[in-house]
Amino acid sequence: AQSVTQPDIHITVSEGASLELRCNYSYGATPYLFWYVQSPGQGLQLLLKYFSGDTLVQGIKGFEAEFKRSQSSFNLRKPSVHWSDAAEYFCAVDPTSGTYKYIFGTGTRLKVLA
Amino acid sequence: DVKVTQSSRYLVKRTGEKVFLECVQDMDHENMFWYRQDPGLGLRLIYFSYDVKMKEKGDIPEGYSVSREKKERFSLILESASTNQTSMYLCASQGNDEQYFGPGTRLTVT
Repeated sequence: AQSVTQPDIHITVSEGASLELRCNYSYGATPYLFWYVQSPGQGLQLLLKYFSGDTLVQGIKGFEAEFKRSQSSFNLRKPSVHWSDAAEYFCAVDPTSGTYKYIFGTGTRLKVLA
Repeated sequence: DVKVTQSSRYLVKRTGEKVFLECVQDMDHENMFWYRQDPGLGLRLIYFSYDVKMKEKGDIPEGYSVSREKKERFSLILESASTNQTSMYLCASQGNDEQYFGPGTRLTVT
């Protein structure tokens, strides 16, 4: 079945440490790929998106993500985490690349230690 | 700046009540969406609309209906609220190859 997997439900990192959030998808073709962030009590905000081309994508707030076709992955990274990055992060795919019917992962909740 | 607003941040309703959740976008987008968000389940698509008066079921439409009489407004209707519809409801509109989300409505059905 088509799916989006975020294997880590919770992640805790110290402020200033590096971060990697994992996302894997199971679709035949390369879908459109997205990372969203949800701060407590808020809606979702787009961090970055990948459609095609350069597999390393830069986003807002210092985040980047790398698309790896061979691994069906789209992992989110940040070299140095700030306390304000504490939030829930969602990976999403548009499996038919343009229908806009996204499939979301179950989310990873990030806690940042001072 | 892109803006999606939802009529209520918090709502408490009784079982069997008819509930309306309203969503308004100011970006002239054609596509609009309703999701529900539950812990451990992520976001699941209830309904979406790709034009005025046009709608399509998402993954979990049971117990819900929608209305889109004007382009900027997309309403989610719970015909007879049940306790298993207690959830966070998020509205989104689509434009520029991304979805823009409202702040959400946390609905509690008692």
